[in-house]
Amino acid sequence: DGGITQSPKYLFRKEGQNVTLSCEQNLNHDAMYWYRQDPGQGLRLIYYSQIVNDFQKGDIAEGYSVSREKKESFPLTVTSAQKNPTAFYLCASSPGLRGTYGYTFGSGTRLTVV
Amino acid sequence: GQSLEQPSEVTAVEGAIVQINCTYQTSGFYGLSWYQQHDGGAPTFLSYNGLDGLEETGRFSSFLSRSDSYGYLLLQELQMKDSASYFCAPPGPGRRALTFGSGTRLQVQP
Repeated sequence: DGGITQSPKYLFRKEGQNVTLSCEQNLNHDAMYWYRQDPGQGLRLIYYSQIVNDFQKGDIAEGYSVSREKKESFPLTVTSAQKNPTAFYLCASSPGLRGTYGYTFGSGTRLTVV
Repeated sequence: GQSLEQPSEVTAVEGAIVQINCTYQTSGFYGLSWYQQHDGGAPTFLSYNGLDGLEETGRFSSFLSRSDSYGYLLLQELQMKDSASYFCAPPGPGRRALTFGSGTRLQVQP
């Protein structure tokens, strides 16, 4: 079955650590995205990528980094520069940016700073 | 720039009809999407309006008026499982990735 997989489901980070969240899709979608969601809030765009080896900053890119070396994969690194990283992180993919055919989301990673 | 407005909460009873409004201001416009998200889950795609008018998908319909910068999601024959948050989402400035509003929390009561 085609889909998008995020791992791990839960992640705990100590102060000052970098952590990487995995996102893999087998839908053959060109575009991939990372969103952050805080409790009771909407989704805020961190980074997005329209094509392999290219990505763009979203609204809250500071303290995060990404890579897009393969079409299927779009990992997100939460660096120690991100001062308030505790949140629900959602990865998505789509055939195109505009959303005509919808974004497919992964099940998310809950990151907690301990 | 861009702004989105949705009501924060709506309550309705089973079997009823509810309308969730969305007003937006964005430089350039390329369609409006709607997503549903249950507590603790991931958003799922409901509909997309690229042109003015009504799009119907089963019990759900979505409407867009580009001249009024306004859209709505209409849910009919409400069921308990429709209790969720609903987000309208236009593309960001410059035809960028989707921007999500704060969402409307729908509570369906027996």
